[in-house]
Amino acid sequence: NAGVTQTPKFQVLKTGQSMTLQCAQDMNHNSMYWYRQDPGMGLRLIYYSASEGTTDKGEVPNGYNVSRLNKREFSLRLESAAPSQTSVYFCASSGQGGYNEQFFGPGTRLTVL
Amino acid sequence: AQSVTQLDSHVSVSEGTPVLLRCNYSSSYSPSLFWYVQHPNKGLQLLLKYTSAATLVKGINGFEAEFKKSETSFHLTKPSAHMSDAAEYFCVVSEWNGNNRKLIWGLGTSLAVNP
Repeated sequence: NAGVTQTPKFQVLKTGQSMTLQCAQDMNHNSMYWYRQDPGMGLRLIYYSASEGTTDKGEVPNGYNVSRLNKREFSLRLESAAPSQTSVYFCASSGQGGYNEQFFGPGTRLTVL
Repeated sequence: AQSVTQLDSHVSVSEGTPVLLRCNYSSSYSPSLFWYVQHPNKGLQLLLKYTSAATLVKGINGFEAEFKKSETSFHLTKPSAHMSDAAEYFCVVSEWNGNNRKLIWGLGTSLAVNP
């Protein structure tokens, strides 16, 4: 039982390049989330998926797209990376209802030059 | 709208002394509350959660938190700090937006433990 996995762990991009961050969970959770973490700003929600087939914007969706490929996988795409997207990205998942505690992946550290 | 305020951005304690990390929240509903911990260059781990079953909640690694509705607080405590407790701590409230529950995160408290 791996929990939530993310790839890659580290990435360096040039401005304008594109990339996809991958996330998968093996806990049979319905909901999945993408956050970014910047110094002094805590965690900010980029997008989330309440269930397979649905996605919704969070606080800071501009410059990102997501795909809920199936129940297990939720990817985040940067179409044209900008230096302002330099951050640590976390994927999380949670079960249905209840208290919605979220389980996190190890993070992806992205630098955009 | 719900919100979370962590009253201290940095806390420094000596090893073996008590830890107090303060959190206030605002909520229109009966809230669900969490504390997460993040060790340097690591992911986030759930420390404990308040689920309305008991106001004093015990978590991992000797931490506990008390839900005080009258004070809208959910402070995190530990009787005796260890060096391994040095980390970033986040207080979180769960918000229902009509379709889904979302987490509202505090900005974090950095805990330093001095030998």
